[in-house]
Amino acid sequence: ETGVTQTPRHLVMGMTNKKSLKCEQHLGHNAMYWYKQSAKKPLELMFVYNFKEQTENNSVPSRFSPECPNSSHLFLHLHTLQPEDSALYLCASSQETANYGYTFGSGTRLTVV
Amino acid sequence: DAKTTQPPSMDCAEGRAANLPCNHSTISGNEYVYWYRQIHSQGPQYIIHGLKNNETNEMASLIITEDRKSSTLILPHATLRDTAVYYCIVRVNNAGNMLTFGGGTRLMVKP
Repeated sequence: ETGVTQTPRHLVMGMTNKKSLKCEQHLGHNAMYWYKQSAKKPLELMFVYNFKEQTENNSVPSRFSPECPNSSHLFLHLHTLQPEDSALYLCASSQETANYGYTFGSGTRLTVV
Repeated sequence: DAKTTQPPSMDCAEGRAANLPCNHSTISGNEYVYWYRQIHSQGPQYIIHGLKNNETNEMASLIITEDRKSSTLILPHATLRDTAVYYCIVRVNNAGNMLTFGGGTRLMVKP
């Protein structure tokens, strides 16, 4: 365990479903991130939250909707996804004053059918 | 952030040192060199970082050339569990400065 917990680990959903991915950290970090990793592609940054405020939305389609209710929790709400959205979704956190970078969760493997 | 260039893949024999190179010829003076690795289907894991001096921790050593245009990550005694994709990233150590991943080097440690 890294200190960043993601649930569920695996998710299969239909294109008309609505689901949410959850990320939780109790490392005292004040920034949280969503990344997407499609097969054979580098990790792509999706969203950034600093002190619960969204500071980056990397041209992500509106069918992905992030929510950060407090500095320990981050959600990614999913609706009307496409099969090409199937990927590993990774959450990370960091402390802006620390030098040792990001701590990643183990990811949610999402399959859209 | 400056871009990095890494070989797409490397092999290493178990028990030998794995030396992973990274070129970052356009690195700026305030950019750090970070190394992460990603074992299959897991999240990336922080390994080490440095600015100008060589660094060592329990996982690896980082050697940065004097002109800072390249660096080498050294795993002194590679094991099968070190098989992973290794990412070299340069970034300014500021809040709000995101971690951007390239293709990395796929290291295969063989028995």
